Amino acid sequence: QKEVEQDPGPLSVPEGAIVSLNCTYSNSAFQYFMWYRQYSRKGPELLMYTYSSGNKEDGRFTAQVDKSSKYISLFIRDSQPSDSATYLCAMEDTGGFKTIFGAGTRLFVKA
Amino acid sequence: NAGVTQTPKFQVLKTGQSMTLQCAQDMNHNSMYWYRQDPGMGLRLIYYSASEGTTDKGEVPNGYNVSRLNKREFSLRLESAAPSQTSVYFCASREDRKLNTQYFGPGTRLTVL
Repeated sequence: QKEVEQDPGPLSVPEGAIVSLNCTYSNSAFQYFMWYRQYSRKGPELLMYTYSSGNKEDGRFTAQVDKSSKYISLFIRDSQPSDSATYLCAMEDTGGFKTIFGAGTRLFVKA
Repeated sequence: NAGVTQTPKFQVLKTGQSMTLQCAQDMNHNSMYWYRQDPGMGLRLIYYSASEGTTDKGEVPNGYNVSRLNKREFSLRLESAAPSQTSVYFCASREDRKLNTQYFGPGTRLTVL
C-alpha cells in the first residue's frame, strides 16, 4: 500500500466550477501537508502548505487537513482554464528531509 | 535569479551508456534533491543532500549515483542506463528542513532505448 493515495483523474470541469481534489495517507507521523501545481512539461511549484490539522485559504484556493481521517483536500473556487494542470499532494513528518508525493490529479477546466 | 537549472533538457541513450545530469541552484539553499516522475507514480526521491558534503539514498536509488560538488551543484549519474530508467528527472532545492518549500527545476526528459 502506498503511503499517499491520490486519484490520478483526469478531472474535467466547466469554467467557474468548484473543484475538490483529495488525498489520503497512512502515516500518522505526517505533520506538514503541501499542494503543488505542475503545468505540462514544467517542474512542480508550491501552491499551498499547512501544518497539522485545519484550513488555510489563499485567494481562490483552500487547503483542508483532517488528521483524524488521514485525509487532505484542496478546493478551487471559480475555476479558470489557467487552473488546468496536474495537482500533487505532498507530506512530511517533522523528523527528516524526505517529502512523499501523491501520484497527482490531472485537472482540465473547460472554457 | 535563475532558480534551479538543469541540463540537458532532453537526452536519448542506448542501454548500457552512461551520462550525468547536472543541477545548479543560485538561491544559497542547503538541501538538494533528485526525483524521477513516471506516469501514475508521482515523484519518487532518488537521492538527496541535506547539506554540502552529505548525500543519502531516497526511495529508488538503485542504478544511480550522486555528487554534491559544492553548495550550488548536485549531479546525478547513470553508470549503465537501462530502459527502466526512462523517465523525467527533476532536481529541487530547499533552504532548510524546517521550511517546506521545495523549488524545482524544469526537468530532464530521458529515454533509454
